[in-house]
Amino acid sequence: ETGVTQTPRHLVMGMTNKKSLKCEQHLGHNAMYWYKQSAKKPLELMFVYNFKEQTENNSVPSRFSPECPNSSHLFLHLHTLQPEDSALYLCASSQNRDDYGYTFGSGTRLTVV
Amino acid sequence: DAKTTQPTSMDCAEGRAANLPCNHSTISGNEYVYWYRQIHSQGPQYIIHGLKNNETNEMASLIITEDRKSSTLILPHATLRDTAVYYCIVRVRRVNRDDKIIFGKGTRLHILP
Repeated sequence: ETGVTQTPRHLVMGMTNKKSLKCEQHLGHNAMYWYKQSAKKPLELMFVYNFKEQTENNSVPSRFSPECPNSSHLFLHLHTLQPEDSALYLCASSQNRDDYGYTFGSGTRLTVV
Repeated sequence: DAKTTQPTSMDCAEGRAANLPCNHSTISGNEYVYWYRQIHSQGPQYIIHGLKNNETNEMASLIITEDRKSSTLILPHATLRDTAVYYCIVRVRRVNRDDKIIFGKGTRLHILP
């Protein structure tokens, strides 16, 4: 266990479904991140939150909607996804936005059918 | 785009030192080099980072050349559990924005029994 927990580990959803990914960290970190890892592609940064405030949106389509209610929890709300959105979604945290030694969770493997 | 070049794959015998090279010839003077690894079915794990001087921690050593155009990550006594994809990353400075770490394709290291 890394201290960053992601649920569920696996998710299969239809293109018309609405689902949410959850990330929780018990490290006392103040910055949290969502990354996407597609098959045979490098990790792509999606969103950055610092003290609950979004500080970066890396041109992510609006069908992905992040939420950060507090510094320990991060959600990624999904709706009307496409099959090409199937990927491993990784959450990470760091002490603050200047700390680039991230702690990652194990990810949620998402399949859109 | 990633500012680093790494071999696609490498093999190393168990118990020997694994030396993973990385070229970053366009690195700027104030940009750090970071190393992460990703074991199968897990999220990336931070290993070490450095700017100019060599660095060592409980996981590995980082050797950066004097001109900073390349570096080597050294795992002193490789075990089977070190089999993973190793990412060499330059922390990119951005004007009026937070720095950014960009994952490339990495080196797939196989530790052979």
